[in-house]
Amino acid sequence: GAGVSQSPSNKVTEKGKDVELRCDPISGHTALYWYRQSLGQGLEFLIYFQGNSAPDKSGLPSDRFSAERTGGSVSTLTIQRTQQEDSAVYLCASSPAGDLNSPLHFGNGTRLTVT
Amino acid sequence: GNSVTQMEGPVTLSEEAFLTINCTYTATGYPSLFWYVQYPGEGLQLLLKATKADDKGSNKGFEATYRKETTSFHLEKGSVQVSDSAVYFCALLNTGGFKTIFGAGTRLFVKA
Repeated sequence: GAGVSQSPSNKVTEKGKDVELRCDPISGHTALYWYRQSLGQGLEFLIYFQGNSAPDKSGLPSDRFSAERTGGSVSTLTIQRTQQEDSAVYLCASSPAGDLNSPLHFGNGTRLTVT
Repeated sequence: GNSVTQMEGPVTLSEEAFLTINCTYTATGYPSLFWYVQYPGEGLQLLLKATKADDKGSNKGFEATYRKETTSFHLEKGSVQVSDSAVYFCALLNTGGFKTIFGAGTRLFVKA
């Protein structure tokens, strides 16, 4: 079956513009995660969805970042008024359920460059 | 809080050399531990996992043993291949939690 799909794969935007990043999880996976991978850094947790609700938004770096999930499936991460420090690879992952026996299935990420 | 610390890279080895990538963790409770791998141009994928103390996860010749007494989950492989060149991430998921916490990653280069 299809894996986690993210679009676009690459995005170059000017500082101050808004961007939307999309994630299509594996069908039937109830848990969905967004992480950020900056150059030379590990994976930084951003937000977690169980179904359409987000129990943990603690990782969102600022109020310029928001995310939603609809229909228990597709998720969109929106960054408003982008800054150069937002440049990174944004990774989406899904799992059948957020528990100890559910490893994450990752997409290939969206590489965001803010100029 | 929960955290994962792994050895800094890059690690450069010749083909057929022995590999160890160290990983230690801090966690409350009894986490599950994972190694994920990111091959060039690909997304992260699970390499192996262990869900309780003294468990050994293994896959593709890689092994890691969950050591509660030393809070470690070191990754080992007896004979690496060029195709093992990748970035390796140690991670934990804590009891009752949902947030997988990752280490910074260790880049491995294997030379022919």
